[in-house]
Amino acid sequence: ELKVEQNPLFLSMQEGKNYTIYCNYSTTSDRLYWYRQDPGKSLESLFVLLSNGAVKQEGRLMASLDTKARLSTLHITAAVHDLSATYFCAGSSNFGNEKLTFGTGTRLTIIP
Amino acid sequence: EAQVTQNPRYLITVTGKKLTVTCSQNMNHEYMSWYRQDPGLGLRQIYYSMNVEVTDKGDVPEGYKVSRKEKRNFPLILESPSPNQTSLYFCASSPGAFEQFFGPGTRLTVL
Repeated sequence: ELKVEQNPLFLSMQEGKNYTIYCNYSTTSDRLYWYRQDPGKSLESLFVLLSNGAVKQEGRLMASLDTKARLSTLHITAAVHDLSATYFCAGSSNFGNEKLTFGTGTRLTIIP
Repeated sequence: EAQVTQNPRYLITVTGKKLTVTCSQNMNHEYMSWYRQDPGLGLRQIYYSMNVEVTDKGDVPEGYKVSRKEKRNFPLILESPSPNQTSLYFCASSPGAFEQFFGPGTRLTVL
């Protein structure tokens, strides 16, 4: 059974700083997702990582996947207040179906 | 506009009174899923469907039923709701192995 663990659970950081959110998973996962959720809102897809070594970037966010270490990271560069949100990673252990397991989320607060 | 819609958005009900939360997508996606979100637990998958008439259990299926008679619709049925099913529910659809598109959520309170 796939288990997904994120850390930290809470992160408060100053504008302009860099930081990384970590997503560890317990068994083979054929793909790894990152989502963003603003308070009271639905989830917005950020990245889908499909293979070892995959790296994707959008603005100040960069996600990577290391399947050997069973680790994905979401790196935030020069944080701005608009990035304040909860970030979730999710994995799937069976290619071809949609059984996803989510991490518990990282609540990120950017302080001016 | 491509979207996933859920109804109702908010629902307060009493224990044991059957209810249905509807989910519809207009993107012709094969895959659809239901999740519940609870504080400190993240999102947990209830059921998912890979196509019409094909459904399977997620991690927390107890107390829920689903059906997929048409590609666009994937209703979630609570035959006898209980207070521990008070939660925020999300429906999602996907073209498969790629990003999932989430609905706006349904906040359910069972008294």
